[in-house]
Amino acid sequence: GNSVTQMEGPVTLSEEAFLTINCTYTATGYPSLFWYVQYPGEGLQLLLKATKADDKGSNKGFEATYRKETTSFHLEKGSVQVSDSAVYFCALSDLLRNYQLIWGAGTKLIIKP
Amino acid sequence: EPEVTQTPSHQVTQMGQEVILRCVPISNHLYFYWYRQILGQKVEFLVSFYNNEISEKSEIFDDQFSVERPDGSNFTLKIRSTKLEDSAMYFCASSAEAGGDTQYFGPGTRLTVL
Repeated sequence: GNSVTQMEGPVTLSEEAFLTINCTYTATGYPSLFWYVQYPGEGLQLLLKATKADDKGSNKGFEATYRKETTSFHLEKGSVQVSDSAVYFCALSDLLRNYQLIWGAGTKLIIKP
Repeated sequence: EPEVTQTPSHQVTQMGQEVILRCVPISNHLYFYWYRQILGQKVEFLVSFYNNEISEKSEIFDDQFSVERPDGSNFTLKIRSTKLEDSAMYFCASSAEAGGDTQYFGPGTRLTVL
């Protein structure tokens, strides 16, 4: 079945460091891909998405490119801030199961000042 | 900006009791979902709902679970007889369309079964 694999956390970085959180997927067809973020004590917020190969999603300085050849959707940010500390989830929409979201395990990001 | 709301934010119940978790999806959305996240584990799909019917459900969504859209705004998840392992954060989501459209999530209800 479809699945999403994310790098394990926590990831600890200093402010202004470059961020990469790896996400790879296994899927039938060409699912839409998503990054959601969960700030402490809050719900799941959409960060960005991409719906087809080579699309780049971007928001709040974060970017991710839908790479069909490597089945990846890595999240990047050039200069992180303390306020970016959160848990980041990669997810795909399962075309064979009415587009339910299949989730990665989440990666906790800690940014130190 | 429209948002999905959920009540209560935290529900504590005794094992074997019935609970109803409530959600108000975004008003012009047509597709509704429930997910749950047991502490320290992945977010898991429970059920999707469209046109007053369940369109998909997972293995988790057994006969103890039911969903309902009792009026034009609410979307509820009922657990008939709670078990300890039902303790989790339950998230409601809605989307305007299917086909990989963005699902917007509520803040969640933390269910604790004692």
